[in-house]
Amino acid sequence: RKEVEQDPGPFNVPEGATVAFNCTYSNSASQSFFWYRQDCRKEPKLLMSVYSSGNEDGRFTAQLNRASQYISLLIRDSKLSDSATYLCVVTRNNAGNMLTFGGGTRLMVKP
Amino acid sequence: DVKVTQSSRYLVKRTGEKVFLECVQDMDHENMFWYRQDPGLGLRLIYFSYDVKMKEKGDIPEGYSVSREKKERFSLILESASTNQTSMYLCASSLGGGSSAEAFFGQGTRLTVV
Repeated sequence: RKEVEQDPGPFNVPEGATVAFNCTYSNSASQSFFWYRQDCRKEPKLLMSVYSSGNEDGRFTAQLNRASQYISLLIRDSKLSDSATYLCVVTRNNAGNMLTFGGGTRLMVKP
Repeated sequence: DVKVTQSSRYLVKRTGEKVFLECVQDMDHENMFWYRQDPGLGLRLIYFSYDVKMKEKGDIPEGYSVSREKKERFSLILESASTNQTSMYLCASSLGGGSSAEAFFGQGTRLTVV
């Protein structure tokens, strides 16, 4: 079983739609959680950290469920520019500094 | 802004060559990483360094070694390049752990071994 699992997609949605991605992780000791965004042929960049109480940044909402070991990302009012691959990332060592990446979920927003 | 710079965007090397991939970060980060990214396999950690001269193997260290003689520089070495090492290589750095674990990536090196 992979440490971090994501549905690879692609998710094809119209502009303005709401879309949600889930990610599951296997290491119950994981401390920190992130969502990264990767555009085609570019390096990954941090989208947002995920906090235990859940957090929102504009149209983006991240949730963490430690008991079930999953993380979610909700995107409201999708824009064409949201088209990218979204990577779920967790830390996996005691120091909390070694990152493990999921395989990514591809989102395509259509006009 | 944090800057992570990889020495080459594209490299073509021959089978059996020794290959050096260089990475430099300018934010005094403790941690540096080398990943490779392949279609369908995502980002896989090759090696991780948490301090000068300190390193830990990642998930796929076979065929690779690393060097961190200075805090800002982390080198990935392919001792004898093989065609299955053709990939996109991504270097990253982070300040610390927990909430400081955010990794900043270089632009990547696309290596082709022929």
